[in-house]
Amino acid sequence: AQSVAQPEDQVNVAEGNPLTVKCTYSVSGNPYLFWYVQYPNRGLQFLLKYITGDNLVKGSYGFEAEFNKSQTSFHLKKPSALVSDSALYFCAVRPYTGGFKTIFGAGTRLFVKA
Amino acid sequence: ETGVTQSPTHLIKTRGQQVTLRCSSQSGHNTVSWYQQALGQGPQFIFQYYREEENGRGNFPPRFSGLQFPNYSSELNVNALELDDSALYLCATQDASTDTQYFGPGTRLTVL
Repeated sequence: AQSVAQPEDQVNVAEGNPLTVKCTYSVSGNPYLFWYVQYPNRGLQFLLKYITGDNLVKGSYGFEAEFNKSQTSFHLKKPSALVSDSALYFCAVRPYTGGFKTIFGAGTRLFVKA
Repeated sequence: ETGVTQSPTHLIKTRGQQVTLRCSSQSGHNTVSWYQQALGQGPQFIFQYYREEENGRGNFPPRFSGLQFPNYSSELNVNALELDDSALYLCATQDASTDTQYFGPGTRLTVL
């Protein structure tokens, strides 16, 4: 079965410290990989995606993600966290089947303390 | 902002009723998908429409149905509402040139 796992329900970091939000996936073939962020009472905002090429992908708001094919992981990172980064983060996978059906993880809540 | 709008913002219905949720698409985005996000969970794919035809469906019963109009706006209809249908419903339009989905703010449906 195709799935996305975000092993941490919550990640706590201090402002200015680096942050990592973990994601692993189980999808056959070469899927497209995404990260989205959700603020309270808002829809999902696109952060970044990996389709092919460089394993390190840069996205919005200083976020980046590292694709590791052998570990089937796509961890989200940021060198220096901001309090305003506190939100719910979703990793998502789209199987390369020709549609836009996207499989989401359960989400990781990020708290950045001042 | 993504340019994707949804209405209404909030809705309260009772079990057994029917509901229609609406989504307006950015110009040129001819594919729209609908997702259900239950509390504390990630979005679950309901179905996708391309040029007014359903062309992909998740694990949802037939009482979940949809429409896409020539202007690419879309509706999600749910019949015979159940308590478990309470969720945030998100629509997303797709920019085929960038392989990116853009989500609307969602409609919060509460079924009592």
